[in-house]
Amino acid sequence: ETGVTQTPRHLVMGMTNKKSLKCEQHLGHNAMYWYKQSAKKPLELMFVYNFKEQTENNSVPSRFSPECPNSSHLFLHLHTLQPEDSALYLCASSQTGIDSPLHFGNGTRLTVT
Amino acid sequence: KNQVEQSPQSLIILEGKNCTLQCNYTVSPFSNLRWYKQDTGRGPVSLTIMTFSENTKSNGRYTATLDADTKQSSLHITASQLSDSASYICVVSATPGGSYIPTFGRGTSLIVHP
Repeated sequence: ETGVTQTPRHLVMGMTNKKSLKCEQHLGHNAMYWYKQSAKKPLELMFVYNFKEQTENNSVPSRFSPECPNSSHLFLHLHTLQPEDSALYLCASSQTGIDSPLHFGNGTRLTVT
Repeated sequence: KNQVEQSPQSLIILEGKNCTLQCNYTVSPFSNLRWYKQDTGRGPVSLTIMTFSENTKSNGRYTATLDADTKQSSLHITASQLSDSASYICVVSATPGGSYIPTFGRGTSLIVHP
């Protein structure tokens, strides 16, 4: 148990579907993140929330829409995705502060057909 | 542009052998460097953190080194075990305006064979 839970673990969706990824952290952290991990590429930061407020939007296409209703929950709403969006989507949390490590969930493996 | 380069891209060793993974970075201003281990199908987990003043830090069979002058770090694994098979990711954080903005390397994929 990592303390950060992501659901679903696997998701297959068509390009016209709408789906949502869910992340919940049980660590009392005040920052939450979405990362995209593609094969042979470094993790790409997508969104950052501090105390429920979005502080980073790393030039992510609007077909990805984050939502952070409270400090423990984070969602990523998906619509009209492209096949190149297929990847592992990782949620992470941390305490605000330079020396605080990121605690990752086990990710959602997304396949867009 | 902040960058983190790791080598080798992949590595295969026999159980019980030692190995060293390399990380070079061009992140400025430097705050800290972490090594993460990512098992297949799991999220990354932090192994060590190195700050500017630290040269060496150990965590069990893992020993990380940092040379802030040459902007290089290494992760040495001693007496490897099958469970060490994973991707090892070097992550360097900068502090522009006090924000936590880590730069990730592509990772080194380590396979330990019996």
